[in-house]
Amino acid sequence: SQTIHQWPATLVQPVGSPLSLECTVEGTSNPNLYWYRQAAGRGLQLLFYSVGIGQISSEVPQNLSASRPQDRQFILSSKKLLLSDSGFYLCAWSRMLGNTEAFFGQGTRLTVV
Amino acid sequence: GIQVEQSPPDLILQEGANSTLRCNFSDSVNNLQWFHQNPWGQLINLFYIPSGTKQNGRLSATTVATERYSLLYISSSQTTDSGVYFCAVRLYSGGGADGLTFGKGTHLIIQP
Repeated sequence: SQTIHQWPATLVQPVGSPLSLECTVEGTSNPNLYWYRQAAGRGLQLLFYSVGIGQISSEVPQNLSASRPQDRQFILSSKKLLLSDSGFYLCAWSRMLGNTEAFFGQGTRLTVV
Repeated sequence: GIQVEQSPPDLILQEGANSTLRCNFSDSVNNLQWFHQNPWGQLINLFYIPSGTKQNGRLSATTVATERYSLLYISSSQTTDSGVYFCAVRLYSGGGADGLTFGKGTHLIIQP
């Protein structure tokens, strides 16, 4: 069966510090990968998606970037965090074709102080 | 882009009650999912239901794609059903990997 791992679960970082969140998927190959953010309250917003190694699409302009160095690894990064980067970040995967049901990781709660 | 509207935004019920949550969307979709977000923030998959009707225990869902809405039914509510319920859709995209567009959710509180 497929599983998705995301870490760390919580993170407190000072303004101006770098960020690296990692997500890995097991039990499938060539998945579509996604990063979402949930700001305080409700509502999830798609940040990045990837259909393959090195292929990244950005949905919204922001202080963050994403990379996919391996087929089942997706990384969210920032060189200098802003207060507005605080939020709950979720990684997700889906199959490329057919049933495109998305499955989410446990999320990382980031607080920028 | 596609619009997803969920109603009601908040719902408070007594344990044992039934409820219906609604999701309206503004365009044709090839993926519709219902999620339950637990108190720890994790999104739990409830249904993948771009069309038709599915049931899983006390929960069931119906999507009428031609009329662009989906309903989530919760019967005999339990306190553990509390949380936020999200509807999310994905447009037909010709083979792309576009992500899901989420509604703002329904915050459900089940009181003992």
